[in-house]
Amino acid sequence: GEDVEQSLFLSVREGDSSVINCTYTDSSSTYLYWYKQEPGAGLQLLTYIFSNMDMKQDQRLTVLLNKKDKHLSLRIADTQTGDSAIYFCAPTGRRALTFGSGTRLQVQP
Amino acid sequence: DSGVTQTPKHLITATGQRVTLRCSPRSGDLSVYWYQQSLDQGLQFLIQYYNGEERAKGNILERFSAQQFPDLHSELNLSSLELGDSALYFCASSAGLDSRRGTDTQYFGPGTRLTVL
Repeated sequence: GEDVEQSLFLSVREGDSSVINCTYTDSSSTYLYWYKQEPGAGLQLLTYIFSNMDMKQDQRLTVLLNKKDKHLSLRIADTQTGDSAIYFCAPTGRRALTFGSGTRLQVQP
Repeated sequence: DSGVTQTPKHLITATGQRVTLRCSPRSGDLSVYWYQQSLDQGLQFLIQYYNGEERAKGNILERFSAQQFPDLHSELNLSSLELGDSALYFCASSAGLDSRRGTDTQYFGPGTRLTVL
Protein backbone atom coordinates (compact mmCIF):
# COMPACT_ATOMS: atom_id res chain seq x y z
CA GLY A 1 0.00 0.00 0.00
CA GLU A 2 0.86 3.62 -0.07
CA ASP A 3 3.32 4.97 2.47
CA VAL A 4 3.40 8.65 3.24
CA GLU A 5 6.00 10.15 5.53
CA GLN A 6 6.19 13.55 7.12
CA SER A 7 8.29 15.01 9.87
CA LEU A 8 6.27 15.32 13.05
CA PHE A 9 7.08 18.81 14.18
CA LEU A 10 8.18 22.19 12.86
CA SER A 11 8.66 25.38 14.80
CA VAL A 12 9.08 28.77 13.12
CA ARG A 13 8.92 32.42 14.10
CA GLU A 14 6.07 34.62 13.01
CA GLY A 15 6.91 36.24 9.68
CA ASP A 16 9.32 33.51 8.61
CA SER A 17 8.62 30.98 5.89
CA SER A 18 7.62 27.44 6.81
CA VAL A 19 8.42 24.43 4.66
CA ILE A 20 6.65 21.17 5.36
CA ASN A 21 7.94 18.12 3.53
CA CYS A 22 6.31 14.88 2.50
CA THR A 23 7.54 11.75 0.74
CA TYR A 24 5.28 9.10 -0.71
CA THR A 25 5.65 5.77 -2.47
CA ASP A 26 2.76 5.44 -4.93
CA SER A 27 3.98 6.79 -8.24
CA SER A 28 0.48 6.50 -9.70
CA SER A 29 -0.85 9.28 -7.49
CA THR A 30 -2.53 11.75 -9.79
CA TYR A 31 -3.51 14.41 -7.28
CA LEU A 32 -1.61 15.32 -4.14
CA TYR A 33 -3.43 17.24 -1.45
CA TRP A 34 -2.54 19.32 1.56
CA TYR A 35 -5.00 19.53 4.43
CA LYS A 36 -4.84 21.61 7.59
CA GLN A 37 -6.26 20.54 10.95
CA GLU A 38 -6.62 23.09 13.73
CA PRO A 39 -7.03 21.85 17.32
CA GLY A 40 -10.40 20.21 17.86
CA ALA A 41 -11.46 20.77 14.26
CA GLY A 42 -11.86 18.79 11.08
CA LEU A 43 -9.58 18.74 8.09
CA GLN A 44 -9.63 21.79 5.90
CA LEU A 45 -8.55 21.47 2.29
CA LEU A 46 -5.69 23.89 1.69
CA THR A 47 -4.53 23.17 -1.81
CA TYR A 48 -3.63 20.41 -4.21
CA ILE A 49 -1.39 19.82 -7.18
CA PHE A 50 -1.76 17.65 -10.25
CA SER A 51 0.98 15.12 -10.74
CA ASN A 52 1.97 16.66 -14.08
CA MET A 53 2.83 19.97 -12.42
CA ASP A 54 6.05 20.96 -10.68
CA MET A 55 4.76 23.93 -8.76
CA LYS A 56 1.55 25.58 -7.75
CA GLN A 57 1.21 28.91 -6.02
CA ASP A 58 -1.87 30.03 -4.15
CA GLN A 59 -1.44 33.31 -2.26
CA ARG A 60 0.94 32.53 0.64
CA LEU A 61 1.08 28.83 -0.23
CA THR A 62 3.52 27.26 -2.66
CA VAL A 63 3.43 23.55 -3.42
CA LEU A 64 6.46 21.93 -5.01
CA LEU A 65 6.36 18.44 -6.47
CA ASN A 66 9.36 16.35 -7.42
CA LYS A 67 7.71 13.39 -9.04
CA LYS A 68 10.97 11.57 -9.71
CA ASP A 69 11.87 11.57 -6.02
CA LYS A 70 8.23 11.34 -4.90
CA HIS A 71 8.70 14.39 -2.74
CA LEU A 72 6.09 17.03 -2.05
CA SER A 73 6.52 20.21 -0.06
CA LEU A 74 4.29 22.99 1.19
CA ARG A 75 5.80 26.40 1.73
CA ILE A 76 3.90 28.98 3.75
CA ALA A 77 5.22 32.49 3.29
CA ASP A 78 5.02 35.07 6.08
CA THR A 79 3.82 32.47 8.58
CA GLN A 80 1.27 33.78 11.08
CA THR A 81 0.21 32.48 14.49
CA GLY A 82 -3.09 31.46 12.89
CA ASP A 83 -1.15 29.01 10.75
CA SER A 84 -0.39 26.92 13.82
CA ALA A 85 -2.01 23.57 13.10
CA ILE A 86 -1.29 20.06 11.89
CA TYR A 87 -0.65 19.79 8.16
CA PHE A 88 -1.37 16.56 6.34
CA CYS A 89 -0.01 15.49 3.01
CA ALA A 90 -2.41 13.17 1.16
CA PRO A 91 -1.60 11.68 -2.22
CA THR A 92 -4.49 9.93 -3.89
CA GLY A 93 -4.06 6.20 -3.68
CA ARG A 94 -5.89 3.52 -5.59
CA ARG A 95 -9.01 3.90 -3.51
CA ALA A 96 -8.97 6.92 -1.28
CA LEU A 97 -6.64 9.43 0.24
CA THR A 98 -3.70 8.09 2.18
CA PHE A 99 -2.62 10.48 4.87
CA GLY A 100 0.78 11.09 6.31
CA SER A 101 1.17 11.31 10.07
CA GLY A 102 0.85 15.06 9.89
CA THR A 103 3.34 17.80 10.72
CA ARG A 104 2.55 19.96 13.71
CA LEU A 105 3.50 23.53 12.88
CA GLN A 106 4.11 25.77 15.84
CA VAL A 107 4.45 29.48 15.15
CA GLN A 108 6.27 31.48 17.80
CA PRO A 109 5.22 35.12 18.12
CA ASP B 1 -17.50 25.47 6.74
CA SER B 2 -17.07 22.57 4.31
CA GLY B 3 -20.79 21.85 3.94
CA VAL B 4 -20.40 18.36 5.39
CA THR B 5 -22.24 17.85 8.66
CA GLN B 6 -21.72 15.17 11.27
CA THR B 7 -23.70 14.29 14.35
CA PRO B 8 -23.23 13.94 17.20
CA LYS B 9 -20.20 16.08 17.91
CA HIS B 10 -19.27 14.08 21.00
CA LEU B 11 -20.29 10.64 22.13
CA ILE B 12 -19.37 8.92 25.39
CA THR B 13 -20.30 5.31 25.85
CA ALA B 14 -19.20 2.12 27.56
CA THR B 15 -17.35 -0.93 26.33
CA GLY B 16 -19.56 -3.47 24.63
CA GLN B 17 -22.08 -0.89 23.47
CA ARG B 18 -23.14 0.05 19.95
CA VAL B 19 -23.30 3.55 18.48
CA THR B 20 -24.31 5.14 15.22
CA LEU B 21 -22.56 8.14 13.71
CA ARG B 22 -24.30 10.18 11.07
CA CYS B 23 -22.99 12.18 8.14
CA SER B 24 -24.69 14.44 5.62
CA PRO B 25 -22.59 15.17 2.55
CA ARG B 26 -22.30 18.47 0.73
CA SER B 27 -25.23 19.22 -1.49
CA GLY B 28 -24.78 17.40 -4.78
CA ASP B 29 -21.97 15.11 -3.63
CA LEU B 30 -22.52 11.43 -4.32
CA SER B 31 -19.52 9.93 -2.53
CA VAL B 32 -19.10 9.60 1.21
CA TYR B 33 -15.94 8.45 2.96
CA TRP B 34 -15.36 7.51 6.60
CA TYR B 35 -12.02 7.95 8.36
CA GLN B 36 -10.81 7.20 11.87
CA GLN B 37 -8.24 9.40 13.56
CA SER B 38 -6.57 8.05 16.67
CA LEU B 39 -3.38 9.02 18.44
CA ASP B 40 -1.57 5.77 17.73
CA GLN B 41 -2.88 4.98 14.23
CA GLY B 42 -3.13 8.43 12.70
CA LEU B 43 -5.78 9.10 10.08
CA GLN B 44 -7.04 5.88 8.51
CA PHE B 45 -9.50 5.34 5.69
CA LEU B 46 -12.38 3.05 6.67
CA ILE B 47 -14.87 2.84 3.84
CA GLN B 48 -16.33 4.70 0.86
CA TYR B 49 -19.84 4.76 -0.56
CA TYR B 50 -20.87 6.11 -3.91
CA ASN B 51 -24.54 6.78 -4.63
CA GLY B 52 -25.69 4.19 -2.13
CA GLU B 53 -23.23 1.44 -2.96
CA GLU B 54 -20.01 0.44 -1.28
CA ARG B 55 -17.12 1.54 -3.50
CA ALA B 56 -13.98 0.86 -1.50
CA LYS B 57 -12.97 -0.63 1.80
CA GLY B 58 -10.01 0.27 3.94
CA ASN B 59 -9.01 -0.74 7.45
CA ILE B 60 -12.54 -1.22 8.71
CA LEU B 61 -13.09 -3.77 11.47
CA GLU B 62 -15.77 -6.41 11.15
CA ARG B 63 -17.49 -4.88 14.19
CA PHE B 64 -18.00 -1.73 12.16
CA SER B 65 -20.41 -1.26 9.29
CA ALA B 66 -21.72 1.60 7.23
CA GLN B 67 -24.41 2.42 4.75
CA GLN B 68 -25.48 5.24 2.51
CA PHE B 69 -29.16 5.96 2.19
CA PRO B 70 -31.19 7.11 -0.85
CA ASP B 71 -30.99 10.71 0.35
CA LEU B 72 -27.19 10.20 0.32
CA HIS B 73 -26.62 10.65 4.03
CA SER B 74 -24.48 7.96 5.58
CA GLU B 75 -24.27 6.20 8.91
CA LEU B 76 -21.33 4.43 10.49
CA ASN B 77 -22.29 1.76 13.01
CA LEU B 78 -19.76 0.70 15.61
CA SER B 79 -20.62 -2.30 17.77
CA SER B 80 -19.07 -4.27 20.64
CA LEU B 81 -17.07 -1.18 21.40
CA GLU B 82 -13.63 -1.47 22.92
CA LEU B 83 -11.47 1.12 24.65
CA GLY B 84 -9.26 1.26 21.57
CA ASP B 85 -12.16 2.46 19.44
CA SER B 86 -11.97 5.84 21.14
CA ALA B 87 -11.07 8.23 18.34
CA LEU B 88 -12.26 11.02 16.10
CA TYR B 89 -14.39 9.76 13.25
CA PHE B 90 -14.49 11.91 10.16
CA CYS B 91 -16.80 11.82 7.23
CA ALA B 92 -15.80 13.36 3.92
CA SER B 93 -17.75 13.82 0.74
CA SER B 94 -16.90 14.39 -2.88
CA ALA B 95 -18.75 14.87 -6.10
CA GLY B 96 -17.77 11.36 -7.13
CA LEU B 97 -17.70 12.23 -10.80
CA ASP B 98 -14.33 10.64 -11.37
CA SER B 99 -13.71 8.91 -8.08
CA ARG B 100 -12.32 5.74 -9.62
CA ARG B 101 -9.30 7.64 -10.84
CA GLY B 102 -8.82 9.36 -7.51
CA THR B 103 -9.25 12.83 -8.92
CA ASP B 104 -12.10 13.69 -6.66
CA THR B 105 -11.51 16.36 -4.04
CA GLN B 106 -12.77 15.37 -0.61
CA TYR B 107 -14.28 17.83 1.85
CA PHE B 108 -14.28 16.86 5.49
CA GLY B 109 -16.86 17.26 8.20
CA PRO B 110 -15.99 18.46 11.71
CA GLY B 111 -15.86 14.92 13.08
CA THR B 112 -17.46 12.97 15.91
CA ARG B 113 -15.33 12.40 18.97
CA LEU B 114 -16.07 8.97 20.41
CA THR B 115 -14.95 8.13 23.92
CA VAL B 116 -15.34 4.55 25.11
CA LEU B 117 -15.06 4.13 28.88
